[in-house]
Amino acid sequence: GAVVSQHPSRVICKSGTSVKIECRSLDFQATTMFWYRQFPKQSLMLMATSNEGSKATYEQGVEKDKFLINHASLTLSTLTVTSAHPEDSSFYICSARGASGGGTDTQYFGPGTRLTVL
Amino acid sequence: QKEVEQDPGPLSVPEGAIVSLNCTYSNSAFQYFMWYRQYSRKGPELLMYTYSSGNKEDGRFTAQVDKSSKYISLFIRDSQPSDSATYLCAMSIFGNEKLTFGTGTRLTIIP
Repeated sequence: GAVVSQHPSRVICKSGTSVKIECRSLDFQATTMFWYRQFPKQSLMLMATSNEGSKATYEQGVEKDKFLINHASLTLSTLTVTSAHPEDSSFYICSARGASGGGTDTQYFGPGTRLTVL
Repeated sequence: QKEVEQDPGPLSVPEGAIVSLNCTYSNSAFQYFMWYRQYSRKGPELLMYTYSSGNKEDGRFTAQVDKSSKYISLFIRDSQPSDSATYLCAMSIFGNEKLTFGTGTRLTIIP
């Protein structure tokens, strides 16, 4: 149980294009989803927290207009990197958290999406 | 000073050895403690989750929390080459879902 998927697993795009990454909780309802980015040999840095049906809460220094997050349902959240540039190249990982006490009240991570912007 | 400190390693041990991984933290408000394993280019996988001081055992893994010293550990017994990965400690404040991660320790088990 507690499986989280991400799609795509890898994407290469040209500078200036937008990229959408999907995060799905496959066997539980995720009341909260988190988006992280991870640079090589570094730890995960939280970008934003999203609750189903409400606006995402962004961490300090993360541009909300550049990293658009939509949490339209209890099983799906999307991250759109708008007008991507080479410095946005990174490993993006989502995690999902279920309702408290439901056995999924800790964070379960997706497999990650490797974004390379040329 | 970082909220969570973790020795990045790398740490190499022979197969079958006991591995000890550690994190210290400065924020006494942290109540929940987790250990994640991350293989190269994969997402973190939850190994252990605890919210009280003391030991919690799951198979070959034991998580230890000492809140008075603000120190947590993960022990791996009978280590296997498949245990080679980066191990991340993470913690959160009760009622606060945000996880604060350590930098991760890269572990290699030598056959």
